[in-house]
Amino acid sequence: QKEVEQNSGPLSVPEGAIASLNCTYSDRGSQSFFWYRQYSGKSPELIMSIYSNGDKEDGRFTAQLNKASQYVSLLIRDSQPSDSATYLCAVNAVGNEKLTFGTGTRLTIIP
Amino acid sequence: NAGVTQTPKFRILKIGQSMTLQCTQDMNHNYMYWYRQDPGMGLKLIYYSVGAGITDKGEVPNGYNVSRSTTEDFPLRLELAAPSQTSVYFCASSYIAGGQETQYFGPGTRLLVL
Repeated sequence: QKEVEQNSGPLSVPEGAIASLNCTYSDRGSQSFFWYRQYSGKSPELIMSIYSNGDKEDGRFTAQLNKASQYVSLLIRDSQPSDSATYLCAVNAVGNEKLTFGTGTRLTIIP
Repeated sequence: NAGVTQTPKFRILKIGQSMTLQCTQDMNHNYMYWYRQDPGMGLKLIYYSVGAGITDKGEVPNGYNVSRSTTEDFPLRLELAAPSQTSVYFCASSYIAGGQETQYFGPGTRLLVL
């Protein structure tokens, strides 16, 4: 079983709709959760971090964490063509300096 | 403030050649990391460092070496290049504040081994 799993996609969403990206993890000791956006040919860019159960909102982005079910999700409201990218989920445990990344979900926003 | 810088941007190596990928950060971060990313895949950790003079292996360290003589620099060494090392290499640095970590990535080095 992979430590961090994501649907590779591609996920196609019409412009203006809500894009929903999901990630599951296997280590119950995981405490920190991150979403990175990576445009083609570019480096990953941190867009959201979440550390406790529930929702965290930042502009059009909402991260949701459910530790009991071991999943974390990212919602993108009012999707724009500029949101088209690969989204990487990453997790780490308390006291662990290393992040474990999923393989990423490729998102395409259709104008 | 340049953040994390990497050189070179692109390099072609012949099998058996060696090279050093450079990484420098100017944010005074203690933690630094080297990842590789193969096409369509996530990031695999090669080596990491929690401070000057301290390094440790990640998930895929074979064929690589690192050193950390200063806080700013974390070079990655390939001694005998192999086609399997064709990849994009990302360096990252991070800090931890209030129990929360933020990791910043460099622009990457694209390596082709022929």
